Amino acid sequence: SQQGEEDPQALSIQEGENATMNCSYKTSINNLQWYRQNSGRGLVHLILIRSNEREKHSGRLRVTLDTSKKSSSLLITASRAADTASYFCATDQAGTALIFGKGTTLSVSS
Amino acid sequence: ETGVTQTPRHLVMGMTNKKSLKCEQHLGHNAMYWYKQSAKKPLELMFVYSLEERVENNSVPSRFSPECPNSSHLFLHLHTLQPEDSALYLCASSQEATNEKLFFGSGTQLSVL
Repeated sequence: SQQGEEDPQALSIQEGENATMNCSYKTSINNLQWYRQNSGRGLVHLILIRSNEREKHSGRLRVTLDTSKKSSSLLITASRAADTASYFCATDQAGTALIFGKGTTLSVSS
Repeated sequence: ETGVTQTPRHLVMGMTNKKSLKCEQHLGHNAMYWYKQSAKKPLELMFVYSLEERVENNSVPSRFSPECPNSSHLFLHLHTLQPEDSALYLCASSQEATNEKLFFGSGTQLSVL
């Protein structure tokens, strides 16, 4: 069954604005990962946050994890047109496969 | 470039054809994966190999047959496919089969007529 569920399904913003995407999941996890996919291409790993971590940063990316609410958010600051892509959260439960959500499609216009 | 190369990029085949998808990773990883990505659906894990041994087979129909001759190469042999098998097939690798930090290829866009 699907574990991660991203929200919103689609997001349109202007260059320079911040973009926030959310991910909710159902069961306990070891870690949660965010991936980006440009149209028709493979996924690119962005960031991994473990279940005992609350926040991680990587460049313009900020990820938070709230295990009590079983949710995570990905914030992209000062967005650029090149950030236009689909963003997926993936959850890792011990002993099972990495489970991906359906993704958030982000469109950044200049 | 992610270090994972998939060929071909596009494939059109009839339901009676036999074809193979190829994946090669240049990262020295020990685990390789096949995922299927259909429109409007989450990525579905098909197979996982760790050090050339299959460790996960996610109830995939037998018309999909994986092969991992060494830790750098992964194949997906296709035969007697159905139109609903049309999808983007993605190969990925990771250092170990721990589901952490997967590196994906660009995928093979498969159309079954």
